[in-house]
Amino acid sequence: GEQVEQRPPHLSVPEGDSAVIICTYTDSATAYFYWYKQEPGAGLQLLMSVFSNVDRKEEQGLTVLLNKKDKQLSLNLTAAHPGDSAVYFCAVSASGGSNYKLTFGKGTLLTVTP
Amino acid sequence: GGIITQTPKFLIGQEGQKLTLKCQQNFNHDTMYWYRQDSGKGLRLIYYSITENDLQKGDLSEGYDASREKKSSFSLTVTSAQKNEMAVFLCASSTTGNAEQFFGPGTRLTVL
Repeated sequence: GEQVEQRPPHLSVPEGDSAVIICTYTDSATAYFYWYKQEPGAGLQLLMSVFSNVDRKEEQGLTVLLNKKDKQLSLNLTAAHPGDSAVYFCAVSASGGSNYKLTFGKGTLLTVTP
Repeated sequence: GGIITQTPKFLIGQEGQKLTLKCQQNFNHDTMYWYRQDSGKGLRLIYYSITENDLQKGDLSEGYDASREKKSSFSLTVTSAQKNEMAVFLCASSTTGNAEQFFGPGTRLTVL
C-alpha cells in the first residue's frame, strides 16, 4: 500500500527565514495531496489541498510544489513567524473508490525562533 | 462552516476497562473517521463510516469497536484498555468521495 516519508522530523528556523518540509510518496495513482497544521493540544487544521493536475499552489505565505515524476510534495513557508510553530503533516490519497483513506506522513515539528 | 466536537477531552481509565469516546459533527458530512495519533508515528486509521450505520475497518481496528448511531455522531470504544494504548484519538469528517477531511480537537487517553 501507499507509504509516505516526511522530512525533516524537526526543523528550527529564525523568524523571517523560510522553512521547507518534503514528503515522498510511493503510489503513482496518488491524486490528492494535503498539508495540515497541528498546534499543541489541538486537532489538525487543513492548510492547503492540491489535486494532481497542479504543480504549484500559493496561498497566504505558503507554497506547495508537486513533482509527480519524483513523487514528491513540498511545503514552503516563506518568512516564517513564531505563530507558525507547530507540527505539520502531509497527507495523500489515491483517486477512485478508495479516496476516503488518507495516508499521513509522520509529521515535522517546526520551531520558529524570535 | 462547521465544527467537530469530541468528548471527553481527557480520558483516564484502568487497564482492562472498556472506554468510549464520542464525536459529533455539524458539517452534515456523510463520512466520519477515527484516527489514533502516537507521538512520532503520524496518524493511523482505526475505523471509518461512509453513512449512518455503516462501519469500515481501518489499519488499526483490532481492540476497538465503533458505532455510527446517526449521521452526525460516531463513537469509538476501546474494548479492553491497555497501557500501550495511551495516545490521542482524533475524529474527522468529510463529504462523500472527498478525501479532504476536517478534524476535531482530539481525546487524550491515559491508561493507569
